[in-house]
Amino acid sequence: DAKTTQPPSMDCAEGRAANLPCNHSTISGNEYVYWYRQIHSQGPQYIIHGLKNNETNEMASLIITEDRKSSTLILPHATLRDTAVYYCIVRPVDAGGTSYGKLTFGQGTILTVHP
Amino acid sequence: EAQVTQNPRYLITVTGKKLTVTCSQNMNHEYMSWYRQDPGLGLRQIYYSMNVEVTDKGDVPEGYKVSRKEKRNFPLILESPSPNQTSLYFCASSLRDTSYEQYFGPGTRLTVT
Repeated sequence: DAKTTQPPSMDCAEGRAANLPCNHSTISGNEYVYWYRQIHSQGPQYIIHGLKNNETNEMASLIITEDRKSSTLILPHATLRDTAVYYCIVRPVDAGGTSYGKLTFGQGTILTVHP
Repeated sequence: EAQVTQNPRYLITVTGKKLTVTCSQNMNHEYMSWYRQDPGLGLRQIYYSMNVEVTDKGDVPEGYKVSRKEKRNFPLILESPSPNQTSLYFCASSLRDTSYEQYFGPGTRLTVT
């Protein structure tokens, strides 16, 4: 799997957009970018994933650069409940839409949303 | 309610006493896995299962066993626990494989003295 690099920590003011970067410069053409988050000692929670087009759902937006070497997770209006560790993961998916093997989480970014 | 359940949630045991942590999902998911989480080391995958009777090692399988006899259950077995297995354990499942959203259980905090 492609290696990802994330800043260890970030701060954000409540109500502002939180922009979390992820570098994946060795990403391959068949690798998707996934984002999860983990609120203190709870099980991780899926947020969003994408291949090359920007994606948006009710939780967040994912912006992937045209060369796909980096991406940004955007929480448009951060709240105190968004304080968590955010993980960026890159996974290969075969032509049949299957991703085999183990899933590796890195160290993630600790996002702290303050009042 | 769709969920992944783990039992027990908290366990304190002694070195060498065999234990099993159960994991069950009610979503008919094919893929299930176990993780451990330790301060400074993040989440590390122990074992995973692509389907019934199909299991494989993750990044840190030493000292653990698993079985997948039924689709819904994926127990984690520690035959002879040691203090270095003190950790927070998570079970997860997904519809088919890791390309799908992973659903995590609430965690089991294990202390081995």
